[in-house]
Amino acid sequence: DTEVTQTPKHLVMGMTNKKSLKCEQHMGHRAMYWYKQKAKKPPELMFVYSYEKLSINESVPSRFSPECPNSSLLNLHLHALQPEDSALYLCASSPGDRWNTGELFFGEGSRLTVL
Amino acid sequence: AQSVTQPDIHITVSEGASLELRCNYSYGATPYLFWYVQSPGQGLQLLLKYFSGDTLVQGIKGFEAEFKRSQSSFNLRKPSVHWSDAAEYFCAVEGDQGAQKLVFGQGTRLTINP
Repeated sequence: DTEVTQTPKHLVMGMTNKKSLKCEQHMGHRAMYWYKQKAKKPPELMFVYSYEKLSINESVPSRFSPECPNSSLLNLHLHALQPEDSALYLCASSPGDRWNTGELFFGEGSRLTVL
Repeated sequence: AQSVTQPDIHITVSEGASLELRCNYSYGATPYLFWYVQSPGQGLQLLLKYFSGDTLVQGIKGFEAEFKRSQSSFNLRKPSVHWSDAAEYFCAVEGDQGAQKLVFGQGTRLTINP
C-alpha cells in the first residue's frame, strides 16, 4: 500500500465553522506533513510531524491546528478561517529519518473553500 | 539559503516531440534534487531523484534528468511526450533539514498540442 488518503476531497466552510481535514497512510512512514497550495503556485510547507511529535511549524496562524494521534494518522483542525485560506491542502509522508533522504508521498489533497 | 529557479512558467510542445524542462538550484553542499509532477486536481508524484553517483538519472514515465554541478542545473528531459504528460512540473532541492523541508521551484506548466 503506497497511498496517502485524504478526506474530505472537497470542503466548503463558513468563517465561523470548525472542521477537520484527515490524512492516513499505512506505509510505516514516521514523518507526516501538511502543505498548502494556492492555484498556480508550489506547495508551501505548514507542519511536519516526526515520530508523532511536531518538528516543524512554519509560523502558521493558530486557526490551523495540527494533530497526530498515531503514526498513521494526521489531522488538521480548522477554526475561524479567512477566505484567503481557501486552497488545496496536501498531506504527505516520508520514512521519517532526517538522514534517510527520499521522496515524499503525497495524497490527492483536500480542496478547501472558505466563504 | 537554498533556492530553486524554473525559468519557464509555461511550455507548449506537440505530442511526440522532445521535451526539456529547466531547473537551476542554489545550494552550497552537494544537493539532493527531485522532480515532481502534479496532474490537474491531484497531489504530487515523484518522477526521479538525484543523490549522488551517475549524473544522468532515470525516472518513471520515460523521464530522465541530468545533474550538472558546473551549471547548477538539473534539467528534466523526455524524448517523446504523450498527451498524458500535460501537467505541472516542480523541481525541488532538499533544504538544511533534509527531506523534511523541500524547497520547490515555482513550477512549469506543460501543455501538449495534439
